[in-house]
Amino acid sequence: KQEVTQIPAALSVPEGENLVLNCSFTDSAIYNLQWFRQDPGKGLTSLLLIQSSQREQTSGRLNASLDKSSGRSTLYIAASQPGDSATYLCAVCSNDYKLSFGAGTTVTVRA
Amino acid sequence: DAGITQSPRHKVTETGTPVTLRCHQTENHRYMYWYRQDPGHGLRLIHYSYGVKDTDKGEVSDGYSVSRSKTEDFLLTLESATSSQTSVYFCAIRTGTTNTEAFFGQGTRLTVV
Repeated sequence: KQEVTQIPAALSVPEGENLVLNCSFTDSAIYNLQWFRQDPGKGLTSLLLIQSSQREQTSGRLNASLDKSSGRSTLYIAASQPGDSATYLCAVCSNDYKLSFGAGTTVTVRA
Repeated sequence: DAGITQSPRHKVTETGTPVTLRCHQTENHRYMYWYRQDPGHGLRLIHYSYGVKDTDKGEVSDGYSVSRSKTEDFLLTLESATSSQTSVYFCAIRTGTTNTEAFFGQGTRLTVV
């Protein structure tokens, strides 16, 4: 069974600081890894998808890396803004097509 | 949003009654999923489908059943609702097999009293 862990569970930073969110998974036989954002009381918004053959993916201020052999992914958010405050979720698509989620990292960016 | 609609968005029901939640997609994607989200547990997979009439269990399937008679609809049924099934339910689709994204619906908040 795929286990996904996200560290830290919560993070509070001043505006402008870079954010580093970590995700680890136990089974390296994955198709892809996806990062999501969730605002309170809302659904999940896809941020980045990293395919199993890729090492990183970038979108604007967001950069995600993937080290499949060690079972790790890191999401970097540059120059954080108060609008980045949300819960960030990591999801792994295993080769049985199931999506397994971590518990999330709740980020607060202080103005 | 990949054309995903969940209905109803909110529901209050009594213990012991059956409840059906609907997930509808407009783009004929093959893979559909039902999750529940609870504080302290994150998102947990209930059931998923990889085609019409093809479904499989997730990690928390007890007390739930699903049906997919058409590509566009994936139904989740709570056979006899219990208070422990009070949760927010999310439907998701994946746009292909391996290297494709998942998209989520807006969720259904279910309260069992």
